[in-house]
Amino acid sequence: EPEVTQTPSHQVTQMGQEVILRCVPISNHLYFYWYRQILGQKVEFLVSFYNNEISEKSEIFDDQFSVERPDGSNFTLKIRSTKLEDSAMYFCASSELASSYEQYFGPGTRLTVT
Amino acid sequence: AQKITQTQPGMFVQEKEAVTLDCTYDTSDPSYGLFWYKQPSSGEMIFLIYQGSYDQQNATEGRYSLNFQKARKSANLVISASQLGDSAMYFCAMREGPSSGYALNFGKGTSLLVTP
Repeated sequence: EPEVTQTPSHQVTQMGQEVILRCVPISNHLYFYWYRQILGQKVEFLVSFYNNEISEKSEIFDDQFSVERPDGSNFTLKIRSTKLEDSAMYFCASSELASSYEQYFGPGTRLTVT
Repeated sequence: AQKITQTQPGMFVQEKEAVTLDCTYDTSDPSYGLFWYKQPSSGEMIFLIYQGSYDQQNATEGRYSLNFQKARKSANLVISASQLGDSAMYFCAMREGPSSGYALNFGKGTSLLVTP
């Protein structure tokens, strides 16, 4: 069964450093999402992406965040200058259509900022 | 204002019993979808069940069913014949129409512990 993959599974970085989290969505999906979950809290929407542009973003997704689909398979989330409060699990998700009832989640990348 | 409310931070149920996890939602959009996800201790998000706002019947998927009461804006998850492997966090989520970008809005979750 096709699945969303994410690398790395765990990333440790120092405050102020740039990180890139990588995702490979399911191949025929057109809509991509990033969510984050701070430890012990609920999952929060960051951004949705379609047709090579952001379709929606939350208040969390400020100027230090960016997303990109650099080729036909990868979907990346970049955090320019990490802060301690960026420590969280980051989930990538994809769906075939915007109105598809299921968003398939990847296994997540745990980001630890020290 | 919270769009998804899960009032039970933790629940216990004995193996083989049924359990209901509560979820209420708030939206003025006539077209929306309601979801339940399971998050085991390993951290991944596992899709369980979906209910569309226009669906006439309650959704069912194996041992999972969704008790959808539109007038009360509730979408409770019922797990029948609980198993030890059902112990996990359970999140209710809602997706509204195009203006929200189809993002999922999650509740704070309910931690379910199934005991032998």
